[in-house]
Amino acid sequence: GAVVSQHPSWVICKSGTSVKIECRSLDFQATTMFWYRQFPKQSLMLMATSNEGSKATYEQGVEKDKFLINHASLTLSTLTVTSAHPEDSSFYICSARVSATAEYEQYFGPGTRLTVT
Amino acid sequence: KQEVTQIPAALSVPEGENLVLNCSFTDSAIYNLQWFRQDPGKGLTSLLLIQSSQREQTSGRLNASLDKSSGRSTLYIAASQPGDSATYLCAAFNDYKLSFGAGTTVTVRA
Repeated sequence: GAVVSQHPSWVICKSGTSVKIECRSLDFQATTMFWYRQFPKQSLMLMATSNEGSKATYEQGVEKDKFLINHASLTLSTLTVTSAHPEDSSFYICSARVSATAEYEQYFGPGTRLTVT
Repeated sequence: KQEVTQIPAALSVPEGENLVLNCSFTDSAIYNLQWFRQDPGKGLTSLLLIQSSQREQTSGRLNASLDKSSGRSTLYIAASQPGDSATYLCAAFNDYKLSFGAGTTVTVRA
């Protein structure tokens, strides 16, 4: 199957700083990428959908000025958590599709554990 | 808004027993449904993808059925093994995005 990577796999940062997480599709071109957030023992919550070359579409309740998403190429999307606070500590997972349409499978990265102290 | 529910939330069985995991969704206008496995602290591994026109998909010991009209999918795992211990998530695809259930955490006792 197709491979999606994330970097870093875990990161610790101090409150008030910003942190960037990268998501790459390694062996396919991803027109559409997604960012999810998962709290302990809870399911994945979609944060935003990004299409290459376009602005991301954020889900209701997600602050777009706090979670900056860039999808500058068909193989790379980044999520920047700005002015991070302890409540932003979570497991962030990215996902990628060849296309937004239904016939394509969605592939997931291994996740990034963010801890804000 | 699509709501996906998984029952039970947790399941513990002895090795060799068959597993039945249930998933229901409120909006039957889905394009496909996926089952995933998640190990603790890890990302998701796709197990099976069922298109809306299909009734079931099989891969090895895994079989997933889909009944769109009733908004249900079931994942069957035959002859469970300790290595099957994980959280299993189902997700329905519509409106260009996947909506996830909360998962069923499975423990297979040796």
